[in-house]
Amino acid sequence: EIVLTQFPGTLSLSPGERATLSCRASQSLSSGYLAWYQQKPGQAPRLLIYGASSRATGIPDRFSGSGSGTDFTLTISRLEPEDFAVYYCQQYGSSLGTFGQGTTLAIK
Amino acid sequence: EVQLVESGGGLVQPGRSLRLSCAASGFNYNDHAMHWVRQAPGKGLEWVSAISWDSGHVDHADSVKGRFTISRDNAKNSLYLQMNSLRAEDTAFYFCAKGPYGHPSYYFDNWGQGTLVTVSS
Repeated sequence: EIVLTQFPGTLSLSPGERATLSCRASQSLSSGYLAWYQQKPGQAPRLLIYGASSRATGIPDRFSGSGSGTDFTLTISRLEPEDFAVYYCQQYGSSLGTFGQGTTLAIK
Repeated sequence: EVQLVESGGGLVQPGRSLRLSCAASGFNYNDHAMHWVRQAPGKGLEWVSAISWDSGHVDHADSVKGRFTISRDNAKNSLYLQMNSLRAEDTAFYFCAKGPYGHPSYYFDNWGQGTLVTVSS
């Protein structure tokens, strides 16, 4: 089973700042099969990025994904108040899609 | 607009069974793999089960294998999760999620709001 490790566990920033969230896989992900989700309290997760760098429908262009192999990054260029949430990465290269433990993006 | 509406959650005693349902609308249900993903209160996400568009490919996480069964009825645009021999550690919000293609080995592009299953005596 592929294990995903997200860091940092919590990131405290202010609106307008740039956020960089990381996700490391225990083995290389074929074809960059990595997705990012945002989850706000009491809500379902929302797909942000798939294929490591493709934005999902309706996602603002301040969200971007990058990386390959075992190291991946979600960048939010300028934080808006609604961006403070928990972010999960997920690999789907194998039939057992696994999630990272999440990064909480908190208001500083 | 894609809509996924889960139902069937509730309080159940350990060892008992429960069946979750997910009603899908707003897309061609027959063309897409479907999944169940769960989240224990205050915890992270755990993929539970997946089923291909034609039910030909089914998979379950090791934590539920032999106890949970995913199924679908394409005529009714519905997804199901039969949960047997429930344990306290199965307590979670259960989300129905849609895959972008017919094969299940992909990400989840739409999610329902979830239904809470509580296993307790």
